[in-house]
Amino acid sequence: GQSLEQPSEVTAVEGAIVQINCTYQTSGFYGLSWYQQHDGGAPTFLSYNGLDGLEETGRFSSFLSRSDSYGYLLLQELQMKDSASYFCAASGGYQKVTFGIGTKLQVIP
Amino acid sequence: NAGVMQNPRHLVRRRGQEARLRCSPMKGHSHVYWYRQLPEEGLKFMVYLQKENIIDESGMPKERFSAEFPKEGPSILRIQQVVRGDSAAYFCASSPPGQGVGEQYFGPGTRLTVT
Repeated sequence: GQSLEQPSEVTAVEGAIVQINCTYQTSGFYGLSWYQQHDGGAPTFLSYNGLDGLEETGRFSSFLSRSDSYGYLLLQELQMKDSASYFCAASGGYQKVTFGIGTKLQVIP
Repeated sequence: NAGVMQNPRHLVRRRGQEARLRCSPMKGHSHVYWYRQLPEEGLKFMVYLQKENIIDESGMPKERFSAEFPKEGPSILRIQQVVRGDSAAYFCASSPPGQGVGEQYFGPGTRLTVT
């Protein structure tokens, strides 16, 4: 099976940078994904790391270290609209995906 | 290219009734996943299907729940004899063939309320 840990809540100031960490324990691991979900909305795909290293997409970057079973999502130049829940998700064997409990990010002025 | 479509968006059922939730994946996507989400909680995997095949249903309760993805038409998640504990948001996601499960696209969800 797989389990993931991420902080439940994070608060950051508008314009700042925030990093959301995710550690995982898996039996069979292919990669780590990140999703954003606003209250009452559907999860939206942000990024996927199949290999170690940093993936950058605009203001968002995601990092994976397989040797440390660790990844993070980095959000730069925070905007109020970035207030949402962020989920890391581990892809494992047989096409199964396990989601973390989510990190609720609050961006304050 | 239309996104993942789910209907109904909201569904109210009385205890003991049946709930049918429908999901049409994005065009060209052949993998469908169903998840359940309770308020303030994460997404719980239920089932993974490809056309006419259930690949993994390890997250789905063995009783009262079933899922299908026929050759023609949407994927359907069926809950028989609903109970109050079934009240949740049910999301469907799809991914393209060969892409792996790392990149999934979600529908707007069906909010099921059991009274």
